[in-house]
Amino acid sequence: EPEVTQTPSHQVTQMGQEVILRCVPISNHLYFYWYRQILGQKVEFLVSFYNNEISEKSEIFDDQFSVERPDGSNFTLKIRSTKLEDSAMYFCATRGDDSYEQYFGPGTRLTVT
Amino acid sequence: GIQVEQSPPDLILQEGANSTLRCNFSDSVNNLQWFHQNPWGQLINLFYIPSGTKQNGRLSATTVATERYSLLYISSSQTTDSGVYFCAVEPYDYKLSFGAGTTVTVRA
Repeated sequence: EPEVTQTPSHQVTQMGQEVILRCVPISNHLYFYWYRQILGQKVEFLVSFYNNEISEKSEIFDDQFSVERPDGSNFTLKIRSTKLEDSAMYFCATRGDDSYEQYFGPGTRLTVT
Repeated sequence: GIQVEQSPPDLILQEGANSTLRCNFSDSVNNLQWFHQNPWGQLINLFYIPSGTKQNGRLSATTVATERYSLLYISSSQTTDSGVYFCAVEPYDYKLSFGAGTTVTVRA
């Protein structure tokens, strides 16, 4: 069964550093999402991406965040200058045209020190 | 935005017991999914169920879209069923809104 993959599984970074989280979507999927879960809290929507542009973003997704699909396969989330409060699990999700079901990757645990 | 309420917040079961988790939502939805978050933090997709009933092994789910609720049934619970169960809905805006989850602990 096709899967969404994410790298790295765990990243530790210092405050103020830039991080790039990577996702490889299921091959025929066209809709891409990033979600975030701070430890002990519920999963929150960050951004959706379709046809090479952002469809919608939450108030969390400020100027420090950006997304792109640099090579037509990977889908990335960049945080320009990390803050302590960016520590969380970040999930990539994708879906195809034929269903509203979203398929989630295993997540990247980001720890900002 | 849409409200998603899950109950109960915590559930402690003896191995072999059956249980029902509930998800209420405040608006019509395109999509409803149930997830199990394992101890490593991964979200395991259990059901895509915007309406109707589905079964997968010891788990089954029912969504009554007209009454805006969904139920997840766990039968003959095992210790491996422990974890947090999330309901997530999409109200025609192409993003999932998650509930706060039900933490299930199954004791041997």
